[in-house]
Amino acid sequence: LAKTTQPISMDSYEGQEVNITCSHNNIATNDYITWYQQFPSQGPRFIIQGYKTKVTNEVASLFIPADRKSSTLSLPRVSLSDTAVYYCLVGDRLTGSARQLTFGSGTQLTVLP
Amino acid sequence: DAGVIQSPRHEVTEMGQEVTLRCKPISGHDYLFWYRQTMMRGLELLIYFNNNVPIDDSGMPEDRFSAKMPNASFSTLKIQPSEPRDSAVYFCASSWARRGTGPYNEQFFGPGTRLTVL
Repeated sequence: LAKTTQPISMDSYEGQEVNITCSHNNIATNDYITWYQQFPSQGPRFIIQGYKTKVTNEVASLFIPADRKSSTLSLPRVSLSDTAVYYCLVGDRLTGSARQLTFGSGTQLTVLP
Repeated sequence: DAGVIQSPRHEVTEMGQEVTLRCKPISGHDYLFWYRQTMMRGLELLIYFNNNVPIDDSGMPEDRFSAKMPNASFSTLKIQPSEPRDSAVYFCASSWARRGTGPYNEQFFGPGTRLTVL
């Protein structure tokens, strides 16, 4: 199972772009990269998923280099409401077991005024 | 759709009592997951179902924990007898795996049940 490593915490200020990097050195060929966001007292919420290069949606962008050994979640112009824990997951979307759904400790992002 | 529904939202019980947590997944979803979250261990996958059939229960901590999914719209997680170390937030999630894909698609989480065992 591909293991992921993320920073434990990050601070930012309102209006700034935030980049959270996740390392997954032993990612497998069929593995996808998925990011979730969790606010206090709520369940995690899906943000974005990708396989290679760049994926963008209305909330975030996901950058994946050619070797796929890391990925970066980019949040443009964060606000106080983006303060949350962000989880990076790696697993085989096509045939993998849900046992690969290891959320880990995540990255606590704190947005300051 | 109302999203994943869990009940109760909060449960306080005494050690030794039976606890039953309930979950209604999003209609049409064919995967259902039960997670437990604590400060010490983070978010752990306990068990998951595909089309109402348990696929992997290796995350269930011990025999005191059991889960059932009698139909596509209902699942229970039961703890009997409960112990203080079971205190945690329990989440239920569901997902729709499109044909040819596994359970690793976007999951929709419920609001969780905060369990306190005294």
